[in-house]
Amino acid sequence: AAGVIQSPRHLIKEKRETATLKCYPIPRHDTVYWYQQGPGQDPQFLISFYEKMQSDKGSIPDRFSAQQFSDYHSELNMSSLELGDSALYFCASSFGQGTGELFFGEGSRLTVL
Amino acid sequence: GENVEQHPSTLSVQEGDSAVIKCTYSDSASNYFPWYKQELGKRPQLIIDIRSNVGEKKDQRIAVTLNKTAKHFSLHITETQPEDSAVYFCAANGGGFKTIFGAGTRLFVKA
Repeated sequence: AAGVIQSPRHLIKEKRETATLKCYPIPRHDTVYWYQQGPGQDPQFLISFYEKMQSDKGSIPDRFSAQQFSDYHSELNMSSLELGDSALYFCASSFGQGTGELFFGEGSRLTVL
Repeated sequence: GENVEQHPSTLSVQEGDSAVIKCTYSDSASNYFPWYKQELGKRPQLIIDIRSNVGEKKDQRIAVTLNKTAKHFSLHITETQPEDSAVYFCAANGGGFKTIFGAGTRLFVKA
């Protein structure tokens, strides 16, 4: 069965650079979520989109932005990167509202040097 | 907003023993409580979930209980096996598009 696809899987950037992460949800899933997970931490909710509209917002820094496109894929844009942005970024998808299983991608590991 | 607390942070059990992880939530509107298992460097994967209209749910060696009045929910793993070793996260969702995770419990099952 098709899963959530994230790219790139690994990314190394310098401070103050910009990074873009992509997420392709499971076919027919209309909701996408972004989570940030630091080492030994729980996944922190950043933002979600339902039917291409932002549906909820968590602890996403102002330096980050995201959107969901007409084909339901989503991109997380991160600018002015800081060392503290180094983390595993997970995208998850679901069908309909969030009161159901979230299917996570493999994650994108961002390292900021 | 919702806040989920999870205990213990680390749990070590002997193979074959039971493991219990407890969580509390703050938002009385939360009505969906999933549990995710995450192995090192891997993605979180759902192992069991419970909705607010149910007090208990069981799936083979795994069970979850929910006390809405006390805003508590717990994960019970019986007959633990070494492959159960992982980080377990409880989570809560209040009907919106935001699932909030607990801090996680690192479970070690000693053979």
